[in-house]
Amino acid sequence: DTGVSQDPRHKITKRGQNVTFRCDPISEHNRLYWYRQTLGQGPEFLTYFQNEAQLEKSRLLSDRFSAERPKGSFSTLEIQRTEQGDSAMYLCASSSPWVVQGGYGYTFGSGTRLTVV
Amino acid sequence: ELKVEQNPLFLSMQEGKNYTIYCNYSTTSDRLYWYRQDPGKSLESLFVLLSNGAVKQEGRLMASLDTKARLSTLHITAAVHDLSATYFCAVDATSGTYKYIFGTGTRLKVLA
Repeated sequence: DTGVSQDPRHKITKRGQNVTFRCDPISEHNRLYWYRQTLGQGPEFLTYFQNEAQLEKSRLLSDRFSAERPKGSFSTLEIQRTEQGDSAMYLCASSSPWVVQGGYGYTFGSGTRLTVV
Repeated sequence: ELKVEQNPLFLSMQEGKNYTIYCNYSTTSDRLYWYRQDPGKSLESLFVLLSNGAVKQEGRLMASLDTKARLSTLHITAAVHDLSATYFCAVDATSGTYKYIFGTGTRLKVLA
């Protein structure tokens, strides 16, 4: 297994455009998380899936943001009508109950860096 | 609301010196995590601390947890340039979702 994959690595878009990011978690992990990290800050929680169910959404996730995880495998994060304030690194992470019980933390992907111009 | 604070925010140190990074959190939490991030890269898991008094060591880094004081430390021994990175601590926000709340990070620069 090659870990958590995110695509694309970089995205530059014009303000007002829609963008979609993809995350492929580690195959046996049933939990998937999205975080956002702006320059000089720690990652901030956006949303969490257990299998295909989206169980929690942050207040940071405005109506312009939507996330899905069809069939409990890969996940997509879409941002509609992008704004300059959306410029950030979007990180995906995955985990599972046995990872937690084993005393391990999430595995993060390499992230998608979004620049809105 | 759970808050996680780290200090210092920036640390510049000479190779061979020792230093400690502090992580304070505002409410009880079962677990504390330390991650490393290189510029433009993702986060690499360093340590997971599961109980009061837990201590873990890997190379020149040692992490400890005091749940009563709500404090974790990351101690650097005889720093080398390769340790230059940003270090984050994180705690579980609530049981069940294992959602992490991250600190603001400590940006470490080790000078040769």
